[in-house]
Amino acid sequence: DVKVTQSSRYLVKRTGEKVFLECVQDMDHENMFWYRQDPGLGLRLIYFSYDVKMKEKGDIPEGYSVSREKKERFSLILESASTNQTSMYLCASSPGQGGPNTEAFFGQGTRLTVV
Amino acid sequence: AQTVTQSQPEMSVQEAETVTLSCTYDTSENNYYLFWYKQPPSRQMILVIRQEAYKQQNATENRFSVNFQKAAKSFSLKISDSQLGDTAMYFCASNYGGATNKLIFGTGTLLAVQP
Repeated sequence: DVKVTQSSRYLVKRTGEKVFLECVQDMDHENMFWYRQDPGLGLRLIYFSYDVKMKEKGDIPEGYSVSREKKERFSLILESASTNQTSMYLCASSPGQGGPNTEAFFGQGTRLTVV
Repeated sequence: AQTVTQSQPEMSVQEAETVTLSCTYDTSENNYYLFWYKQPPSRQMILVIRQEAYKQQNATENRFSVNFQKAAKSFSLKISDSQLGDTAMYFCASNYGGATNKLIFGTGTLLAVQP
């Protein structure tokens, strides 16, 4: 059974803290993604990675960075958390490079609250 | 910019009835995939159905089917014989190909199936 696991279901952090959100997939997928989900805005892509140490900015990368040192793990980093980063964060992975017919698999989400 | 638009924030349907969720998209790509994902309350996002742009035949998965109108850039989801377990947020998404499987999502439609 395919699995994408996010390290925390709920997180509460203080403004200015450095926050790490971890995501691990066990499907040997090349592509991994971080989305942010907000009511009325849908899912917005923050960053994605198509290979180890390779990354590209999505639509809303400001205030975030990512790390992919191993194929199975993709980390999202909030360098200095702010209250406007309070949101649900979803990690996803998908196989292959090229070919748009591949399904993305999602983690259970991390609900981050910045106070 | 490539966009996906869902104009129905919320919908309601009686159990056993049929409901249609709307989605439009905009792209200049020739080959792409369209998806409907389902996010049940407090549960992971899962794929419901997918459609490849160059296939004229509408995709069907059990009670779920799509009406794909390529010229109109429309991709609606029909749920037949609605069940209580269909209550969820539904997201329309598109993968515009290229080197990665980058998914662009709409804002979602919250579907409530009433007993």
